[in-house]
Amino acid sequence: EAAVTQSPRSKVAVTGGKVTLSCHQTNNHDYMYWYRQDTGHGLRLIHYSYVADSTEKGDIPDGYKASRPSQENFSLILELASLSQTAVYFCASSDPGQGGEVFFGKGTRLTVV
Amino acid sequence: GDSVTQKEGLVTLTEGLPVMLNCTYQTIYSNAFLFWYVHYLNESPRLLLKSSTDNKRTEHQGFHATLHKSSSSFHLQKSSAQLSDSALYYCALSTYKVIFGKGTHLHVLP
Repeated sequence: EAAVTQSPRSKVAVTGGKVTLSCHQTNNHDYMYWYRQDTGHGLRLIHYSYVADSTEKGDIPDGYKASRPSQENFSLILELASLSQTAVYFCASSDPGQGGEVFFGKGTRLTVV
Repeated sequence: GDSVTQKEGLVTLTEGLPVMLNCTYQTIYSNAFLFWYVHYLNESPRLLLKSSTDNKRTEHQGFHATLHKSSSSFHLQKSSAQLSDSALYYCALSTYKVIFGKGTHLHVLP
């Protein structure tokens, strides 16, 4: 079964600190995505990637970097965490050649204090 | 570029009434897939319906949708809402990548 694993599942970070969220997929999918969800709101795309060693900006990339060192792994990096980045972060993968269904990880709850 | 529009941010209705959540899209690709995802509180979004076939009704878990390429629409419907249907619903378009709409909160009241 298609699987996307996120780590950590929750994290408390201090303002100004560096945070790295990791994502690993075993779906053999080319596309990977990072979304954030704020309480009561929908998903917003931060960064995505369609091939290893390359990333693309999504709709809200400011304050975030992404890294895709391999097809299976996709990280989201907050170099200087801010209070406004408190949210739930979802990683996902898809393959347009397989119908494009998106498979999501279980999410990471990030609290910046 | 590609886009997905869900005009309603919040739909509130009473249990037993019919549900209709609107979704329209724009794309130049004729072989696009359209999806509905359901997102319950404290869970991950999961697939509810998908379609790429024009004018064919797709059903799952009591919900149904028909892709109409002539009007670029893929509205989600259910004949009778249940309390357990309360969730966030996303319409999504897949061409070379996936684009999600902003989501519609469905709030079903007893």
